[in-house]
Amino acid sequence: AQSVAQPEDQVNVAEGNPLTVKCTYSVSGNPYLFWYVQYPNRGLQFLLKYITGDNLVKGSYGFEAEFNKSQTSFHLKKPSALVSDSALYFCAVRETGGFKTIFGAGTRLFVKA
Amino acid sequence: GAGVSQSPSNKVTEKGKDVELRCDPISGHTALYWYRQRLGQGLEFLIYFQGNSAPDKSGLPSDRFSAERTGESVSTLTIQRTQQEDSAVYLCASSLGDRDGYGYTFGSGTRLTVV
Repeated sequence: AQSVAQPEDQVNVAEGNPLTVKCTYSVSGNPYLFWYVQYPNRGLQFLLKYITGDNLVKGSYGFEAEFNKSQTSFHLKKPSALVSDSALYFCAVRETGGFKTIFGAGTRLFVKA
Repeated sequence: GAGVSQSPSNKVTEKGKDVELRCDPISGHTALYWYRQRLGQGLEFLIYFQGNSAPDKSGLPSDRFSAERTGESVSTLTIQRTQQEDSAVYLCASSLGDRDGYGYTFGSGTRLTVV
């Protein structure tokens, strides 16, 4: 069975500093990996995905994520955080050829000015 | 439409009543999913539709929950005899396909409060 772990309930970072939101996954085959963001009082938005190819994928709003197969991780990163990045971030995994996407519990990111 | 539309946006109901939640996916999206998000928690998979195939109902928490979808159009999620633990935001998502690496487009959700 597939699963996703986001080990941090909350991440605090100062504006302008780099940020990392951690995610590890477990699937029996090759994974499709996703990050979604939920801003306050707004719906979930797709941020980026890893399907195949380059391990570093770039997404919306300057975010990127690195797929590490040996560590089964897909950490979300941004070189310089903005206050407006403060939101709830969800990592998700789907097994290649599967249909169901499993979401992590979410990590709340606070960026302080 | 331009996005996934869910209605109502908010629903307050009395314990024991039935409720029906509606999702209108993006035109052309063959896959449709329902998730539940309890306060402060992650997304819980409920049910999945793909075209005219039989839906995967493995995430439905009890037989009080059911969902329908006609072809590749609107879906309704029905909760019978609502309980207070059913209070949550119910999210609908659609995507172009199920087995490829398509991301989901989520609706804004229906916030259900059972009093």
